[in-house]
Amino acid sequence: AQSVSQHNHHVILSEAASLELGCNYSYGGTVNLFWYVQYPGQHLQLLLKYFSGDPLVKGIKGFEAEFIKSKFSFNLRKPSVQWSDTAEYFCAVIASGGYQKVTFGTGTKLQVIP
Amino acid sequence: EAGVAQSPRYKIIEKRQSVAFWCNPISGHATLYWYQQILGQGPKLLIQFQNNGVVDDSQLPKDRFSAERLKGVDSTLKIQPAKLEDSAVYLCASSLGGSERYEQYFGPGTRLTVT
Repeated sequence: AQSVSQHNHHVILSEAASLELGCNYSYGGTVNLFWYVQYPGQHLQLLLKYFSGDPLVKGIKGFEAEFIKSKFSFNLRKPSVQWSDTAEYFCAVIASGGYQKVTFGTGTKLQVIP
Repeated sequence: EAGVAQSPRYKIIEKRQSVAFWCNPISGHATLYWYQQILGQGPKLLIQFQNNGVVDDSQLPKDRFSAERLKGVDSTLKIQPAKLEDSAVYLCASSLGGSERYEQYFGPGTRLTVT
């Protein structure tokens, strides 16, 4: 069975600081990877996704993530965070092939201080 | 386009009572998901429908939880009887298809408190 680990539960950054949120998964086969974001009072929404090809994927609002297969990782990055990036971020994985259910990580709460 | 609608937004019940949640997916979305999100955890898939058929309900506690999607549109999730550990946010999501490559769109969730 697949699993997802997000080691940082709560991150506090000042505006303009760089962000990197860790995501590691366990699954031996091919995976599809996602980052979702939930802004305060809003719905979960897709930030970016990786299916295949270029391991560096770009999402909305200047976010990007890099898939490193050898490390089973899909870390989320942003060079310079803004106060509006304050939210909870979830990594998710779906194994490829046939029907596979999605597995979410426990989430990382990001607080950006002006 | 209208998003995924859920009601009620909040519900407080006593243990052993029953409760039902309603979800209206985005028009045209064939796949509907129900998730349970306990405080401090990520969403956990309870059940996935493709049109009105169940694709996966392996994590649904079937002794107390039930779900249906009549006519392949709206869906209801029921808990009977509720336990304290059922306190959580129940999220509904929909997507065009069941493939992992289709984006899931989430509703606002129903926050259930069982006392």
